[in-house]
Amino acid sequence: QKEVEQNSGPLSVPEGAIASLNCTYSDRGSQSFFWYRQYSGKSPELIMSIYSNGDKEDGRFTAQLNKASQYVSLLIRDSQPSDSATYLCAVAMDSSYKLIFGSGTRLLVRP
Amino acid sequence: EADIYQTPRYLVIGTGKKITLECSQTMGHDKMYWYQQDPGMELHLIHYSYGVNSTEKGDLSSESTVSRIRTEHFPLTLESARPSHTSQYLCASSIYGYTFGSGTRLTVV
Repeated sequence: QKEVEQNSGPLSVPEGAIASLNCTYSDRGSQSFFWYRQYSGKSPELIMSIYSNGDKEDGRFTAQLNKASQYVSLLIRDSQPSDSATYLCAVAMDSSYKLIFGSGTRLLVRP
Repeated sequence: EADIYQTPRYLVIGTGKKITLECSQTMGHDKMYWYQQDPGMELHLIHYSYGVNSTEKGDLSSESTVSRIRTEHFPLTLESARPSHTSQYLCASSIYGYTFGSGTRLTVV
């Protein structure tokens, strides 16, 4: 079992829809959770971080964390074609903040 | 505006050459990392450092070496490049979430 698991996709949604990206992790002691966006040929850029159970909203993005279920998700509202990218879930397994990355979910937003 | 810089952006080099990929950050972060990523594939941690004179190997075995003599500088060296080293190399620094550099795309011919 991988430490951080994501569905590779592609997840295809129409423009204006809500895209829901999911991630599960294996270590119950994980403390910090991050979502990165990576365009093809570019380096990852940080979108959201979340540290406690519940929802965290930032513009069109909402991160959701459920530590009991070892599950973290990213919702993108009013999806735009420019949101088409690979979304990486990353988890810090301990206080060192060394991140373990999932393999990423490719999102395609259809105009 | 990038606060972590990688050079060169692209490098094509012959087999057997020694190369150094440069990474510098201006944020004063103690923690720095090198990742390797093939196109469309996962990020693999190859080296990390938690401060000056501290370096550790990552989860992916690599023939490269790193040094950390100054907080802001974390270069990666390949003593003898091989075609199997062809990949993208990403440097990152962090306090909490990572900030990545633009990467170096290395091709060994």
